[in-house]
Amino acid sequence: ETGVTQSPTHLIKTRGQQVTLRCSSQSGHNTVSWYQQALGQGPQFIFQYYREEENGRGNFPPRFSGLQFPNYSSELNVNALELDDSALYLCASSSIGAGGLETQYFGPGTRLLVL
Amino acid sequence: AQTVTQSQPEMSVQEAETVTLSCTYDTSESDYYLFWYKQPPSRQMILVIRQEAYKQQNATENRFSVNFQKAAKSFSLKISDSQLGDAAMYFCACLSSNTGKLIFGQGTTLQVKP
Repeated sequence: ETGVTQSPTHLIKTRGQQVTLRCSSQSGHNTVSWYQQALGQGPQFIFQYYREEENGRGNFPPRFSGLQFPNYSSELNVNALELDDSALYLCASSSIGAGGLETQYFGPGTRLLVL
Repeated sequence: AQTVTQSQPEMSVQEAETVTLSCTYDTSESDYYLFWYKQPPSRQMILVIRQEAYKQQNATENRFSVNFQKAAKSFSLKISDSQLGDAAMYFCACLSSNTGKLIFGQGTTLQVKP
């Protein structure tokens, strides 16, 4: 167990709807990264949050947005859901310290199905 | 841009034998980290081993070790004394210390035969 938790574990939505996924980071970590993993593929970086601000973004459209809270937990919001958004969404927590970025530890993921 | 390539979609090994998973990467950065993660069917991504690019010594973690060839941009994972619990999808990944972006390979599915 990594200490990173995500909710919900599974979610079914219809096209055009909006969804919010949640992540609680490991104790002592100040950075949260989100990844999208399509079936049978490697995870793709969506964005990263550090000290409540976006700290880097992958090739995802603006309808993918996020938040980080003072306790370092985070949300991923996806608007106007499309069928291709069906995937496993992974959250990873890490710590940015004097030595730079540290290892990312992953949560169990949220499986999103868009119908 | 960083890329990570795993050329073996599937591998199999007999229990108690040794297997090596291949990974090559490309990056223009001088400061980066390399990782192997394991993802069992239960889907939680678990860290197997980590290598700092500035370290010449290959990382080891119990039955897991890496062969890091920086000039060749190669980072293979060796699993010794394979166990049934090692069966999973294995991902090689490269972390840029500048961007915090973790780039993953396509994964290698490892089957362990009893």
